[in-house]
Amino acid sequence: DAGVIQSPRHEVTEMGQEVTLRCKPISGHNSLFWYRQTMMRGLELLIYFNNNVPIDDSGMPEDRFSAKMPNASFSTLKIQPSEPRDSAVYFCASSLSQFQPQHFGDGTRLSIL
Amino acid sequence: GQQVMQIPQYQHVQEGEDFTTYCNSSTTLSNIQWYKQRPGGHPVFLIQLVKSGEVKKQKRLTFQFGEAKKNSSLHITATQTTDVGTYFCAGQATDSWGKFQFGAGTQVVVTP
Repeated sequence: DAGVIQSPRHEVTEMGQEVTLRCKPISGHNSLFWYRQTMMRGLELLIYFNNNVPIDDSGMPEDRFSAKMPNASFSTLKIQPSEPRDSAVYFCASSLSQFQPQHFGDGTRLSIL
Repeated sequence: GQQVMQIPQYQHVQEGEDFTTYCNSSTTLSNIQWYKQRPGGHPVFLIQLVKSGEVKKQKRLTFQFGEAKKNSSLHITATQTTDVGTYFCAGQATDSWGKFQFGAGTQVVVTP
């Protein structure tokens, strides 16, 4: 079974550039989560979707961050413009429902110079 | 808002010893999940606890949910080098509608 697929695995870019992270959830999963992990702040929930609809985006840091889920098999997290403090590992996770175990992707390691 | 705290932050364990990590929530939880993240890896689901006072075992790992559903613990017996990693608890508050709050994790280092 294919797990949650994230791309790219690594991204290095200069501040001010637009960054787009992609996620393909496990087929049949109705909930999708975006997390950010840093040493200082740990694992933070940014936003989650249920049946492609954003349910809670209270964790999105600011207007520079946006997330979309145009269909059940694809989601994007966009940062525009990017800043060095956005450097982190970004994980996407999916689950059968919002009450079920979450399956994480391998993450995108983002470095903003 | 809901807060989930884990203690200790770090745990150095001699191989073969037991240890326990604790998770405390500021609000009553509908359920709690535990995850393990190996260095350089991603969190992997271990277990979900739903009932008050529930105890579940996975080989050398014992998970417990408090009677008041505000705390949980993970106890590992006879620690092995394969237990190295960070253990996270994630609590779902009764009114959170699906949002899990992750604790900061307990980083476990095992000395052979």
